[in-house]
Amino acid sequence: QVHLEESGPGLVKPSETLSLTCSVSGGSISTDYWSWVRQPPGKALEWIGFVYSTGLADYSPFLKSRVSMSVDVSKHEFSLHLLSVTAADTAVYYCARGGLSAPLDHWGQGALVTVSS
Amino acid sequence: SYELTQPPSVSVSPGQTATVTCSGENLGNSYVCWYQQRPGQSPVLVIYQDSKRPSGIPERFSGSKSGNTASLTIRGTQLVDEADYYCQAWDSSTYVFGPGTKVSVL
Repeated sequence: QVHLEESGPGLVKPSETLSLTCSVSGGSISTDYWSWVRQPPGKALEWIGFVYSTGLADYSPFLKSRVSMSVDVSKHEFSLHLLSVTAADTAVYYCARGGLSAPLDHWGQGALVTVSS
Repeated sequence: SYELTQPPSVSVSPGQTATVTCSGENLGNSYVCWYQQRPGQSPVLVIYQDSKRPSGIPERFSGSKSGNTASLTIRGTQLVDEADYYCQAWDSSTYVFGPGTKVSVL
């Protein structure tokens, strides 16, 4: 059974960089695609992007200028970096298995990140 | 940008059938997935490739698509099915989620 767990700061200051890591167990970090999805409080799910172990990645056109993702195969984890955050980036951030049109079939428990000074 | 449309809410009595629809301009050209999100929990995939059920998802959940409208049907709805349901499609290298439908079991 695939298990994913997000980790990272719960509070980020405006204009700084939001960084989260997703630890993967029970799955193949090197042969699957991995995605990030966020959900602002009381709102709908929003796809951020996906990454593959080779470094191949694709991002939401709405966030593309501020997002980067990477995979560390040796640590069985993948990461999200979102630059120049504002209050509008406050959300629960989920990592999930899936990408490149594949369904998101396993999700982490989510990490609430608040952007505030 | 590509958008999906869902009704904000659907109400159903226990044991009855609930149907949630999802419409989009190019939905006929894309596989549709459905996710269930109970309050305070992570989303769970309940339907993929329009009508397939992942292992462990009860048979009362089914999916279908006709033209540019996809549907999620819950037959014999139970109290535990009360949740938000999101449709999702793939368009131009982008995952698009619908706005979600709150299914209330009254």
